Amino acid sequence: DTGVSQNPRHKITKRGQNVTFRCDPISEHNRLYWYRQTLGQGPEFLTYFQNEAQLEKSRLLSDRFSAERPKGSFSTLEIQRTEQGDSAMYLCASSLVPQGAYGYTFGSGTRLTVV
Amino acid sequence: RKEVEQDPGPFNVPEGATVAFNCTYSNSASQSFFWYRQDCRKEPKLLMSVYSSGNEDGRFTAQLNRASQYISLLIRDSKLSDSATYLCVVNRGGNTPLVFGKGTRLSVIA
Repeated sequence: DTGVSQNPRHKITKRGQNVTFRCDPISEHNRLYWYRQTLGQGPEFLTYFQNEAQLEKSRLLSDRFSAERPKGSFSTLEIQRTEQGDSAMYLCASSLVPQGAYGYTFGSGTRLTVV
Repeated sequence: RKEVEQDPGPFNVPEGATVAFNCTYSNSASQSFFWYRQDCRKEPKLLMSVYSSGNEDGRFTAQLNRASQYISLLIRDSKLSDSATYLCVVNRGGNTPLVFGKGTRLSVIA
């Protein structure tokens, strides 16, 4: 499978716990993006990387959130001290630079439920 | 004003109908435009890019009006399998990430 892979698919956690999600992009794509989507909303941008450099962070990304892409391949998104408002689908996408007419390819997402 | 605005719907149409969605964007410097399709509890998938000259892919036609800053998607001869949420997506250009609208929900009814 050469698509974008995300793990886990689902995560249920208690409020206050830390969670970490992983994204493996399409291998030849050098850009990797994290988005968050809640019910009835479109995906909202969180952050993105070009190779291992984190180039932009949204103000949605509070200091409880951290993302890494240590070797320019897979990425992790960690949420510390989770809150119920963090419940959402976390989507990872990758693209070539420039993405031109091709947009992004998304993974299947990680659905987080904070109880 | 939201950067990308869409009517959330739902649009309930019978099979075979023609349906059109519009989307407006606020940043006149936006450079690239897309329509994505998202099925329930699935990831968004690229449906088509939108070019200034308009483009067609089978039953789907996308148009861009830069002067009025809106994008449209026309679906002809609707199928049950077209039922999904259609997301309007804008690239402001440069290295900026894509901006997604809230989506328009379509239900095609037998």
